[in-house]
Amino acid sequence: DSGVTQTPKHLITATGQRVTLRCSPRSGDLSVYWYQQSLDQGLQFLIQYYNGEERAKGNILERFSAQQFPDLHSELNLSSLELGDSALYFCASSAPGGNNEQFFGPGTRLTVL
Amino acid sequence: AQKITQTQPGMFVQEKEAVTLDCTYDTSDQSYGLFWYKQPSSGEMIFLIYQGSYDEQNATEGRYSLNFQKARKSANLVISASQLGDSAMYFCAMRELYGQNFVFGPGTRLSVLP
Repeated sequence: DSGVTQTPKHLITATGQRVTLRCSPRSGDLSVYWYQQSLDQGLQFLIQYYNGEERAKGNILERFSAQQFPDLHSELNLSSLELGDSALYFCASSAPGGNNEQFFGPGTRLTVL
Repeated sequence: AQKITQTQPGMFVQEKEAVTLDCTYDTSDQSYGLFWYKQPSSGEMIFLIYQGSYDEQNATEGRYSLNFQKARKSANLVISASQLGDSAMYFCAMRELYGQNFVFGPGTRLSVLP
């Protein structure tokens, strides 16, 4: 158990809908990262937050957005969902300083029908 | 731009033997970190080992060691005394010290045979 929690574990929804994925980082970690893992694209970095502020942006679609709250939990919002958005979405957290090693949550498996 | 290459889509190894998983990277930065993660069939991503670009010694963590060859830009993972539980996908990743992305390679699927 990495100490990073993600809810829900599974999510099934329809095209065009909007969903919110939630992540709680390890105690003391200020950074939260979001990744998308799909069969054809591999593991893609989406976005990073550090202590409530956006720190880095990767291959995140405009239909997707994220935020980190004062209690450091983070939410990833996915809207106007398409079939291709079906994937495993990981959240990871890391401590300030150090090697930036990231500890991953168990993931949320999103299925868009 | 950062790039990670893992040329072995799949590898087989006999139980109790050692195996090397290849990783090469491309960066123009002098300061960066290299990571290996394991993803079993259950799906979670497990951090294995870290190597900093300025570390003179190869990193080791238990049965895992990282064969770091900076001039060749390679960071191969060596697993000694393979166990059945080592069967999983293995990902090499890199982050530049001042970079904005954490880049993963495509992964290598390791199968340990009894």
